[in-house]
Amino acid sequence: AQKITQTQPGMFVQEKEAVTLDCTYDTSDQSYGLFWYKQPSSGEMIFLIYQGSYDEQNATEGRYSLNFQKARKSANLVISASQLGDSAMYFCAMREGPQSSASKIIFGSGTRLSIRP
Amino acid sequence: GAVVSQHPSRVICKSGTSVKIECRSLDFQATTMFWYRQFPKQSLMLMATSNEGSKATYEQGVEKDKFLINHASLTLSTLTVTSAHPEDSSFYICSASGWGGTEAFFGQGTRLTVV
Repeated sequence: AQKITQTQPGMFVQEKEAVTLDCTYDTSDQSYGLFWYKQPSSGEMIFLIYQGSYDEQNATEGRYSLNFQKARKSANLVISASQLGDSAMYFCAMREGPQSSASKIIFGSGTRLSIRP
Repeated sequence: GAVVSQHPSRVICKSGTSVKIECRSLDFQATTMFWYRQFPKQSLMLMATSNEGSKATYEQGVEKDKFLINHASLTLSTLTVTSAHPEDSSFYICSASGWGGTEAFFGQGTRLTVV
């Protein structure tokens, strides 16, 4: 069963607009963590934001915020005021189990975001 | 953020030879390192998880004798692709996580081409 689902294979957004990238997850653990990464064409994986399952506030990092809806098991990434440099592949990922470095992290299929000038 | 260095970034090798890929955490102690494989236009597929000083845990379907992983220190893990074949050509990327597990930082990735 797919644990991380990203239903948008590709998205086009006008520069300066906000964009929401969808992510839903499936786990029976009470303790887990959710990540978003950006992968430009160079291939590197850039960490954007993290949300722990027990965090009460939605995580924010600059223009990135994570809309965490625990009951719906969704962790959408919101990018405000998009820029041309935001064009990239975006992956949602989940760490299952207690907050520990040893817990493995699995990835969704990704969303390719393209920003139009 | 923390720095994870992966080398080489690109390698071309002949079929039947072995290739070693290094993953180093430069400014933190990586208690756990993860090795992923990524096919073009696809997601990252977890191959194995390695904890410092112990044997790696491989995901189902990943041949442990073909993909040898060593995590001898808190700053270095290596992946050796043994007896490489063209179907092993792929993008391999490592990730390192320290105490706490709230962040996992990635290396730059290695593009392996087996000819």
